[in-house]
Amino acid sequence: KQEVTQIPAALSVPEGENLVLNCSFTDSAIYNLQWFRQDPGKGLTSLLLIQSSQREQTSGRLNASLDKSSGRSTLYIAASQPGDSATYLCAVRPDTGRRALTFGSGTRLQVQP
Amino acid sequence: DAGVIQSPRHEVTEMGQEVTLRCKPISGHNSLFWYRQTMMRGLELLIYFNNNVPIDDSGMPEDRFSAKMPNASFSTLKIQPSEPRDSAVYFCASSLATRMGTSGYNEQFFGPGTRLTVL
Repeated sequence: KQEVTQIPAALSVPEGENLVLNCSFTDSAIYNLQWFRQDPGKGLTSLLLIQSSQREQTSGRLNASLDKSSGRSTLYIAASQPGDSATYLCAVRPDTGRRALTFGSGTRLQVQP
Repeated sequence: DAGVIQSPRHEVTEMGQEVTLRCKPISGHNSLFWYRQTMMRGLELLIYFNNNVPIDDSGMPEDRFSAKMPNASFSTLKIQPSEPRDSAVYFCASSLATRMGTSGYNEQFFGPGTRLTVL
């Protein structure tokens, strides 16, 4: 059974810092990995999708990397801003069988102005 | 496109009542997913459909839960009878499932969720 772990569970940083969020998964047979953002009381917003054949994806100040063989992904946020405060979730989709995502428990990020 | 649409956004009901949650996926998407989010268990898949056919309902907690997708643009999740432990946020998501795509394909897009409270 796939298990997804996110470390740290919570993170507080001052504005302007670069930061890294970690995601690990136990079964490397994945089709893709997706990073989401969730604001309090809101739905999920897709940030980046990395296919299993890719090593990284970039969108603005966000960069996500994937090391499939070691079961790890990182989300790098450059020059953090208070508006980045949210919970960040990673989720993996298996290569076969069930198509649904397995989610980590998230990292709650607070960027202090 | 308006994205995935869910209704109602909030639902408060009493134990024993029937609850129906609704979802309209993004036009053109052929996979639809129902998830439940709670503080204790995080996000869990309940059921998903591909081309309107239920593919995996192993996440449905018990027989009180049922889901249908009568056409490509509409799905319902029904709880009958509802219980306080069903209180959660229920999300619907859709995607375009194909193995021929590059980035953007298979990306799941989530609706805003329905916050259900069962008293």
